[in-house]
Amino acid sequence: KNEVEQSPQNLTAQEGEFITINCSYSVGISALHWLQQHPGGGIVSLFMLSSGKKKHGRLIATINIQEKHSSLHITASHPRDSAVYICAVIYNQGGKLIFGQGTELSVKP
Amino acid sequence: DSGVTQTPKHLITATGQRVTLRCSPRSGDLSVYWYQQSLDQGLQFLIQYYNGEERAKGNILERFSAQQFPDLHSELNLSSLELGDSALYFCASSVGQGYNEQFFGPGTRLTVL
Repeated sequence: KNEVEQSPQNLTAQEGEFITINCSYSVGISALHWLQQHPGGGIVSLFMLSSGKKKHGRLIATINIQEKHSSLHITASHPRDSAVYICAVIYNQGGKLIFGQGTELSVKP
Repeated sequence: DSGVTQTPKHLITATGQRVTLRCSPRSGDLSVYWYQQSLDQGLQFLIQYYNGEERAKGNILERFSAQQFPDLHSELNLSSLELGDSALYFCASSVGQGYNEQFFGPGTRLTVL
């Protein structure tokens, strides 16, 4: 069992739909990253959060430390949102990231 | 553009060879992290440097080594290459050595033939 579990692994949506990607982890963490990886391979940091909620444009990330769970929401999805979304956690020992397996999102026009 | 640069973008080499991957962190960042992304293992942490000193080690093979120089750029050296070393290698940088946001470079795609 991975330390960081994401669901779903694959997701196909129609343009305009509201999308939720979930991330669960097994032990206490210091912070959690949501990352986006496009087909070209580059990785972009979307959010880093350790409590509560953050919003950037159409993206919203939430974290519940007690339940060891985080969600990434995309409102009014667009084909350009098609990418792999990766959850990664930082444990108390330091800065290294432990990654989930990623969620491959495809948004159809 | 994250401000983190990596060279080269692509590298094709043969088994048994040695290569060096280079990373320049964002201006002001003192930590550099190296990650490997392969098809079967996903993204894995290799090693972290902070201000020239090794801070944490992950699943890094003995054939691999890294260092961070006084100007804060870092190099990852891979030797006695095997087919299974073919992967995307990313470096990331952050301001501090703990839980700061990390910014990723574009990656180096290594193909070992």
